[in-house]
Amino acid sequence: DGGITQSPKYLFRKEGQNVTLSCEQNLNHDAMYWYRQDPGQGLRLIYYSQIVNDFQKGDIAEGYSVSREKKESFPLTVTSAQKNPTAFYLCASSTSPGQGAGTEAFFGQGTRLTVV
Amino acid sequence: GNSVTQMEGPVTLSEEAFLTINCTYTATGYPSLFWYVQYPGEGLQLLLKATKADDKGSNKGFEATYRKETTSFHLEKGSVQVSDSAVYFCALSGGTSYGKLTFGQGTILTVHP
Repeated sequence: DGGITQSPKYLFRKEGQNVTLSCEQNLNHDAMYWYRQDPGQGLRLIYYSQIVNDFQKGDIAEGYSVSREKKESFPLTVTSAQKNPTAFYLCASSTSPGQGAGTEAFFGQGTRLTVV
Repeated sequence: GNSVTQMEGPVTLSEEAFLTINCTYTATGYPSLFWYVQYPGEGLQLLLKATKADDKGSNKGFEATYRKETTSFHLEKGSVQVSDSAVYFCALSGGTSYGKLTFGQGTILTVHP
């Protein structure tokens, strides 16, 4: 089945440590996104990538880093510089905007990160 | 820039009641509009979408009409069920940020038997 896989589902990190969240898609989508979800605040865009080897900062990129070495993969690293990393992280993918209007995003099941 | 505003929640209804969740947006150009649903502990699923003015998206008894004159995309359902309890997000793509989704803050819906 085609889809987006995020792992792990739950992740615990000690303060001062970096941690990497995995996101893999087999939908052959060009674009991939990372969102952060906090209670009552909706989703906020961290980083996005519209093509391999290229990515852009979203609205809350500070303390995060990404790479896009393969079309299928878009890992997110939460660094020790992120002041409040405890949140629910969602990865998404979509076709490129140039492929038509109504470019909908498909989401993974999310990773809940807790700093202990 | 783009923005989406949803009605403040949470919303609590009895089964078979009528549902409306208001959504208004700000965008330049001609955005596409979406409603996503999130069940507890899960990711988001696309519920419906509309890509141009006066389009009506519909799915599973839910409907929303793209109203450019009022910049709105309100979600409606005639008779809700307990299984509709979830968080609903209005979103848009295009305008000045084509390719990225801008989300509203989400509305928690609880349906009681």
